[in-house]
Amino acid sequence: AQSVSQHNHHVILSEAASLELGCNYSYGGTVNLFWYVQYPGQHLQLLLKYFSGDPLVKGIKGFEAEFIKSKFSFNLRKPSVQWSDTAEYFCAVKGNNDMRFGAGTRLTVKP
Amino acid sequence: NAGVTQNPKFQVLKTGQSMTLQCAQDMNHNSMYWYRQDPGMGLRLIYYSASEGTTDKGEVPNGYNVSRLNKREFSLRLESAAPSQTSVYFCASSEYHPGQALGTIYFGEGSWLTVV
Repeated sequence: AQSVSQHNHHVILSEAASLELGCNYSYGGTVNLFWYVQYPGQHLQLLLKYFSGDPLVKGIKGFEAEFIKSKFSFNLRKPSVQWSDTAEYFCAVKGNNDMRFGAGTRLTVKP
Repeated sequence: NAGVTQNPKFQVLKTGQSMTLQCAQDMNHNSMYWYRQDPGMGLRLIYYSASEGTTDKGEVPNGYNVSRLNKREFSLRLESAAPSQTSVYFCASSEYHPGQALGTIYFGEGSWLTVV
């Protein structure tokens, strides 16, 4: 069955630190991969997505993610986090019909 | 262009009561979804509708029913609410083409449901 794993439940960083959030998935077919962000009290917003082509995708607010097919991974990165990046981050995999989400990683950035 | 709208935003129910969460999208998307979001569980798919006239169960369908009323609207019904259904519910939609895995998913703002 299709599944998504996010390894870190809660990450705490200081401002300007680098960020990498792990995401692994299991799915046998063609997939599209997404990272969504949910800021406190707000709804989900798309950060970036991978459909095909260059496996390194750049999103909004300086985020990027790399699709490594051999590792079934789609890790999210940001070179230097800001306090405003405090939020919950969800990795998602879309197969033919439905979409599955990871459990989420809460990021806390200390000023 | 409002995107995905869902109502109500907040609702408190007593155990055993029924209610329907309404969802509509104005992007002419084929696929619509209902998720619930619980702490530590992330988003879990309740039901989805790949296209008008079809609905399918997701990961956690028990205790819920859905209706794809038309291409725009996809409602979620709780026939007999239970405290375990206290959650935040998100409706979403995306474009879908048979045989292709395409389409960014767009979310509504969420409905906070408390069952006491």
